[in-house]
Amino acid sequence: GEQVEQLPSILRVQEGSSASINCSYEDSASNYFPWYKQEPGENPKLIIDIRSNMERKQIQELIVLLDKKAKRFSLHITDTQPGDSAMYFCAARYGNEKITFGAGTKLTIKP
Amino acid sequence: EAAVTQSPRNKVAVTGGKVTLSCNQTNNHNNMYWYRQDTGHGLRLIHYSYGAGSTEKGDIPDGYKASRPSQENFSLILELATPSQTSVYFCASGEGTGQNTLYFGAGTRLSVL
Repeated sequence: GEQVEQLPSILRVQEGSSASINCSYEDSASNYFPWYKQEPGENPKLIIDIRSNMERKQIQELIVLLDKKAKRFSLHITDTQPGDSAMYFCAARYGNEKITFGAGTKLTIKP
Repeated sequence: EAAVTQSPRNKVAVTGGKVTLSCNQTNNHNNMYWYRQDTGHGLRLIHYSYGAGSTEKGDIPDGYKASRPSQENFSLILELATPSQTSVYFCASGEGTGQNTLYFGAGTRLSVL
């Protein structure tokens, strides 16, 4: 299968705390896992990605972890700020360049 | 930054009518994609393409056709539009192998009455 499950669908965290979003995939042949952020009324934009030959990647406050054995990957936003409020989508690429997205997480940062 | 342009930005169609959504990219990317976005479902893949002349079925292709006449253009066609196809449609282009960052267009809001 080529489904991507994403949880939670709604996430509210206090400003300055961490936020975590979890995704799982079905096809062990998946080799690339990007994360996209979508602001209200805008299009999705890539914020961080990880390839299957890595277990961890960090860009500033964004950390992505990949557990290939469990077929899970996750996004962690540390020290959240109001500007982090948005929709977040995980995705998985399958060998034929098909890219399937999760259902999304609406993140709200509470002041 | 990569440029992906969708037209129209908004469209109201009647049930049973034909709708064509157009997408143009100036990035010389091989891959192009059509997704629809609905609350609770995220971005669902309708059709995609590896290059001019190629179209592939995505996860929800029923009721949609696609056309890729050139590297730059990728159209989504609803031959007989239905109210269930009311949605926001996003086109995207991608570099292909290696770093396959998707660059999305601004979206088309389609209402089928």
